[in-house]
Amino acid sequence: DTAVSQTPKYLVTQMGNDKSIKCEQNLGHDTMYWYKQDSKKFLKIMFSYNNKELIINETVPNRFSPKSPDKAHLNLHINSLELGDSAVYFCASSLRNEKLFFGSGTQLSVL
Amino acid sequence: TQLLEQSPQFLSIQEGENLTVYCNSSSVFSSLQWYRQEPGEGPVLLVTVVTGGEVKKLKRLTFQFGDARKDSSLHITAAQPGDTGLYLCAGLQGGSEKLVFGKGTKLTVNP
Repeated sequence: DTAVSQTPKYLVTQMGNDKSIKCEQNLGHDTMYWYKQDSKKFLKIMFSYNNKELIINETVPNRFSPKSPDKAHLNLHINSLELGDSAVYFCASSLRNEKLFFGSGTQLSVL
Repeated sequence: TQLLEQSPQFLSIQEGENLTVYCNSSSVFSSLQWYRQEPGEGPVLLVTVVTGGEVKKLKRLTFQFGDARKDSSLHITAAQPGDTGLYLCAGLQGGSEKLVFGKGTKLTVNP
């Protein structure tokens, strides 16, 4: 009965690799987000989709590409991973501009 | 420039003490949310305040939105070890789709 689920929970990979993180929500929300939380716990929005349409695209390297196949899913693909990409990535969903429901995070470690 | 400043950054207190966490900005927000995040999990919404001067109570937690809707505070009475966590404030600016987070206050309540 998990509301927002993202996989994997942990991701350890080498520099230069390409990886994906998947997110699914079963709350019937119309908006989904990707946030990045750095080592100092600062949570910063990366992308937001509303009904599969990209509505927020912060200053994020082109190596990061979100994809929303439907309203319940928002995946994040990262090309050519760099050391600085190491962080915890959170998926979240909401009814537009209302409270966010977060997944439990994906801890990405780039070696 | 950080839009939302939270203070203190770290707070370690004994069980039974009272505490206040502050969230300040020079910007006006249409609403402000408070979240609590525990290790290894995503943030969980505690409360949303939308009206200037609004006060909301959640058991031992009291949330206040400033009259000018630029700042907020969270007061915890008789803190318990279960209150330990990272407290995040997040503001939604009028006309914006983007929820901006403060850097958080890490609270530790010692038994």
